[in-house]
Amino acid sequence: QKEVEQDPGPLSVPEGAIVSLNCTYSNSAFQYFMWYRQYSRKGPELLMYTYSSGNKEDGRFTAQVDKSSKYISLFIRDSQPSDSATYLCASSSYTGRRALTFGSGTRLQVQP
Amino acid sequence: DVKVTQSSRYLVKRTGEKVFLECVQDMDHENMFWYRQDPGLGLRLIYFSYDVKMKEKGDIPEGYSVSREKKERFSLILESASTNQTSMYLCASTTGGRVVNEQFFGPGTRLTVL
Repeated sequence: QKEVEQDPGPLSVPEGAIVSLNCTYSNSAFQYFMWYRQYSRKGPELLMYTYSSGNKEDGRFTAQVDKSSKYISLFIRDSQPSDSATYLCASSSYTGRRALTFGSGTRLQVQP
Repeated sequence: DVKVTQSSRYLVKRTGEKVFLECVQDMDHENMFWYRQDPGLGLRLIYFSYDVKMKEKGDIPEGYSVSREKKERFSLILESASTNQTSMYLCASTTGGRVVNEQFFGPGTRLTVL
């Protein structure tokens, strides 16, 4: 079983829709949770970063972590064609190695 | 503006060749990483380094080695390239310290082994 599971999609939505992207994880030691966005033929870029449980909002994006159910979510409001990309969730614990464990990524297409 | 650069965007090599992938960061970061990215598998960690001349194996180190002689440069070496090493290779770097910080990624090298 992979430590971070993510539905690969693809997910296709009309412009203006609310998008929900989800991951589950199995390692109880994970404390740091990130969402990266990757455009075609580019490296991933950090979109959201949360520590422990709770919500974090940044403009149209909200990241949510529920440590009790080991569930990570990213919500995109008023989605735009420019949001079309692959979204990767990632987790890490401070103890042990410092590298991130990534989900497989969800490809999102926002139709104009 | 933070920057991670990789030596090549696209590379085509033959089976059995020795392949060098280079990564340079200009942010004075202590930690550097090499991942490979394959469809349906996401990013998988090959090797990482937390200091000059220090390295640790990731999840899939077989067939790879690394070198970090200077803080800003982290090289990935395929000793004898094989077709199953055809992939997108991504380098990343981050600061050290007591928290897990954002990793900054390079643009990737798409390697094809024939």
